[in-house]
Amino acid sequence: LAKTTQPISMDSYEGQEVNITCSHNNIATNDYITWYQQFPSQGPRFIIQGYKTKVTNEVASLFIPADRKSSTLSLPRVSLSDTAVYYCLVGAGSARQLTFGSGTQLTVLP
Amino acid sequence: GAVVSQHPSRVICKSGTSVKIECRSLDFQATTMFWYRQFPKQSLMLMATSNEGSKATYEQGVEKDKFLINHASLTLSTLTVTSAHPEDSSFYICSATRGLAEETQYFGPGTRLLVL
Repeated sequence: LAKTTQPISMDSYEGQEVNITCSHNNIATNDYITWYQQFPSQGPRFIIQGYKTKVTNEVASLFIPADRKSSTLSLPRVSLSDTAVYYCLVGAGSARQLTFGSGTQLTVLP
Repeated sequence: GAVVSQHPSRVICKSGTSVKIECRSLDFQATTMFWYRQFPKQSLMLMATSNEGSKATYEQGVEKDKFLINHASLTLSTLTVTSAHPEDSSFYICSATRGLAEETQYFGPGTRLLVL
């Protein structure tokens, strides 16, 4: 299973764009990159998933360079409610178990 | 779509008793379910992988006789913590997937277990 490395924590202010980068140097050819958000005492919530280049949905964008050894989650105009832990995971689709790294604690300040 | 529920949301029990936690996929059939445990301020740790109709696969260091998993149907998996002890107090989270190729896992809301 590919290991991921993320910053332990990040601070931002309301209204700013936040970019969280994840390293996954040993990602396999058939691995997808998935980001989850977790609030205290809740299960992780799916944010976005991608394989290569750029993916965008209503809440975030995911940028993946050509070598796929890293990925960047971009949250536009964060609010206080975006304060949470964000996990980057790589894996080959739903049939494989996911290995959660330490995640990034994002704190949005007023 | 893709909603996963857990019951109970929290449970307090005495040491030595057994506790059953249910994980249900509400609007889809889950071929595979996963059970995770999360201690305070730590990441999720996979305990076991459960496929409908077959025995669960446990991660190294997880006692299969202590954490009994049953995946009897495509919408329900149960985790039973047998003879619970205070060190088993944790946040237990399940996830489910339909088993489609690039599909993500959908997580339940978690169950807080406190063993006194």
